[in-house]
Amino acid sequence: GQNIDQPTEMTATEGAIVQINCTYQTSGFNGLFWYQQHAGEAPTFLSYNVLDGLEEKGRFSSFLSRSKGYSYLLLKELQMKDSASYLCAFMDSNYQLIWGAGTKLIIKP
Amino acid sequence: IAGITQAPTSQILAAGRRMTLRCTQDMRHNAMYWYRQDLGLGLRLIHYSNTAGTTGKGEVPDGYSVSRANTDDFPLTLASAVPSQTSVYFCASSDGSGSYNEQFFGPGTRLTVL
Repeated sequence: GQNIDQPTEMTATEGAIVQINCTYQTSGFNGLFWYQQHAGEAPTFLSYNVLDGLEEKGRFSSFLSRSKGYSYLLLKELQMKDSASYLCAFMDSNYQLIWGAGTKLIIKP
Repeated sequence: IAGITQAPTSQILAAGRRMTLRCTQDMRHNAMYWYRQDLGLGLRLIHYSNTAGTTGKGEVPDGYSVSRANTDDFPLTLASAVPSQTSVYFCASSDGSGSYNEQFFGPGTRLTVL
């Protein structure tokens, strides 16, 4: 079967670093996506990993280990506007996205 | 318009009524999708279309139907609404349906079925 898991909620301090983990199981894999979703808004694309390793994009980085079924999103120099839900999703063998329930990130001053 | 739009923004509907949620994109994307998002659950795919004239069933298609008469529009119809269809519905589109498939989302429709 297929499943994907990420923590429900995390809290971090403004200016700090936070790592949001995502684990998945699937027989067919075509990449791992991270999206950001502010409350009451639509998800917006953050990153895509299909090969093992770290992809860096400004304050945000995403890591993938295909052998471990594991990814993380690293957010540096946290700002209050980073308070949002972060959605992890993998693309299965049918090129459909299977979504985690999202991690709500709370930033405290 | 720029991007992807949905209508209505929100709707309260009596059980048993028929309802069509509208979705329009102006990016000339080939693929379009309908998801529902419920508290504590990930986005779940209802139906999708890889190109105009074709549609497919997602994870939770029962009680919903779609059509794709042209590239821009992808309406979702609830033939006879039930309370379990209370949810936030997102329409999305992507340029292709292959492995790199960044999806762009509309603002969502909040539907309540009483």
